[in-house]
Amino acid sequence: ETGVTQTPRHLVMGMTNKKSLKCEQHLGHNAMYWYKQSAKKPLELMFVYSLEERVENNSVPSRFSPECPNSSHLFLHLHTLQPEDSALYLCASSAAGTGDTDTQYFGPGTRLTVL
Amino acid sequence: AQSVAQPEDQVNVAEGNPLTVKCTYSVSGNPYLFWYVQYPNRGLQFLLKYITGDNLVKGSYGFEAEFNKSQTSFHLKKPSALVSDSALYFCAVRDRDTGRRALTFGSGTRLQVQP
Repeated sequence: ETGVTQTPRHLVMGMTNKKSLKCEQHLGHNAMYWYKQSAKKPLELMFVYSLEERVENNSVPSRFSPECPNSSHLFLHLHTLQPEDSALYLCASSAAGTGDTDTQYFGPGTRLTVL
Repeated sequence: AQSVAQPEDQVNVAEGNPLTVKCTYSVSGNPYLFWYVQYPNRGLQFLLKYITGDNLVKGSYGFEAEFNKSQTSFHLKKPSALVSDSALYFCAVRDRDTGRRALTFGSGTRLQVQP
């Protein structure tokens, strides 16, 4: 698990706050992902970055804004969230385009609570 | 489109007994298949994957999975369950013919191993 780290591990925010989630991977990968895990729902893919370019955006509301400044770091900027956005946000990385199967390795997640 | 079904919300098994966690999938092309495990308040840990070749895949912690193309299944198995195997298990699929990076996950199966 130390290959992909996420900070903070827990975050409580009000609906008018602005905060950011951070993900860092130490595996030499070149693709990074944000997932949302809500209670009693399957993992939902939010964004995919490959070689620092966003390649997938699965109809995520604009109050979630991703940023991938380099292949090791991924951010999720949050603003004017709703209580239903409370969830575990998971970051993952993989070695895309190397003939690998794109096995994704996950961080421990950020538990977000929106009041 | 790709999808995964895990028909059991929970599986209960006695320690020392064999366990099976079921997964069926649907892809338009050929699948890459994965199993992940999630312990409380942790991210997903990769267990094993099927790429091609042998239908029986061996992974971490004594787990294995059997790929059955005709039944579009990829059930997770272990010959002798441990109490420490109690966790949430996710099956995932990626269609290797589309070029998309995205994994589609099942809803998860909670495994409870009783002492």
